Amino acid sequence: DGGITQSPKYLFRKEGQNVTLSCEQNLNHDAMYWYRQDPGQGLRLIYYSQIVNDFQKGDIAEGYSVSREKKESFPLTVTSAQKNPTAFYLCASSFGRQGRETQYFGPGTRLLVL
Amino acid sequence: GNSVTQMEGPVTLSEEAFLTINCTYTATGYPSLFWYVQYPGEGLQLLLKATKADDKGSNKGFEATYRKETTSFHLEKGSVQVSDSAVYFCALGQGYNQGGKLIFGQGTELSVKP
Repeated sequence: DGGITQSPKYLFRKEGQNVTLSCEQNLNHDAMYWYRQDPGQGLRLIYYSQIVNDFQKGDIAEGYSVSREKKESFPLTVTSAQKNPTAFYLCASSFGRQGRETQYFGPGTRLLVL
Repeated sequence: GNSVTQMEGPVTLSEEAFLTINCTYTATGYPSLFWYVQYPGEGLQLLLKATKADDKGSNKGFEATYRKETTSFHLEKGSVQVSDSAVYFCALGQGYNQGGKLIFGQGTELSVKP
């Protein structure tokens, strides 16, 4: 089955700790995206990548970092510089980059601060 | 800049009632428009989309028509079911120069009572 997987489902972060959220897709999509969702709000874009070895900041990139070494993988690191990391994180991918294509979403990772 | 505005929720309806969720947008050019649905604790799924003016997207009894003259993309369903209870997001697709990013409305929570 083709799709997007995210792991873990729940993640706990201690003060001063960096944590990495995994996102993998087997849809052969070029573009991948990371969104943050807070309760009662829409999704806000953190980072996106249109092609391997290239990525751009979204609207709320501060305190986050990404890499895109393989087409199918786009991990997100939440660094200690992100002071309010508690949120639901969603990864998405799309075949094209024109804005007309459907974005397919993973099941999400819920990050909580201890 | 581009933006999407949705009617605020929560919306509570009885089973078999008619549903309308309003969505208006501000954008330059001719963006694609989307409705996504999110069930509790899950990622987003595409419900329907339209890529040009006067297009009607439809799926699972839901419909929305791309109205350029009123910059709207309202979601409708003639008879809702309890299983339609979810959060609905209207989104606008931006072009290649902006990475094909989606801009989301804040979401509208729908609760359908038996």
